[in-house]
Amino acid sequence: GAGVSQTPSNKVTEKGKYVELRCDPISGHTALYWYRQSLGQGPEFLIYFQGTGAADDSGLPNDRFFAVRPEGSVSTLKIQRTERGDSAVYLCASSPAGSGNTDTQYFGPGTRLTVL
Amino acid sequence: GQNIDQPTEMTATEGAIVQINCTYQTSGFNGLFWYQQHAGEAPTFLSYNVLDGLEEKGRFSSFLSRSKGYSYLLLKELQMKDSASYLCAASRMDSNYQLIWGAGTKLIIKP
Repeated sequence: GAGVSQTPSNKVTEKGKYVELRCDPISGHTALYWYRQSLGQGPEFLIYFQGTGAADDSGLPNDRFFAVRPEGSVSTLKIQRTERGDSAVYLCASSPAGSGNTDTQYFGPGTRLTVL
Repeated sequence: GQNIDQPTEMTATEGAIVQINCTYQTSGFNGLFWYQQHAGEAPTFLSYNVLDGLEEKGRFSSFLSRSKGYSYLLLKELQMKDSASYLCAASRMDSNYQLIWGAGTKLIIKP
């Protein structure tokens, strides 16, 4: 497919469990972003990757959240000891370069995480 | 500081025109994005304005006034499928990736 894909589309888990959310960016896009979006709000920045490295992880709310992109393509957002407040839609976006002028970010469909 | 404001909700009639406003206070402002987001779906790119003025793309146009810190999205010949949230986001010159997002305007189209 040509767009950003995310799996799973929905994830229901219990408080205290560990979850992994996956993002497949558009082929060739070097920049990848994770956001969190609550109902009626704009996306909240979590982390930005340029290639394999996390160039900015200042949006991660605490050390329970971690993300990797080992080969510069697919990324996984990992959440440990989930809490009910983590419930949200987690969006992934990618852009061609992420350097120089501002790139347009292309979003995936999101993963809806529900923590019971 | 960094702040973006847009109306929470608007209602318009099929076939009509609607203007969705966005005001921003963003240090080091560079440009203004508009995204459309249908319920339960990803935001999709509509436009990006860096220069003052109006840019037209079919039924959708976007306007920017840098001096006034103001942008609007104009939707003409409204269709039922235009019912969605419309998000504005500001980019900054000191960051080519960090966007300041508004909360979105939910547009309801009535027949």
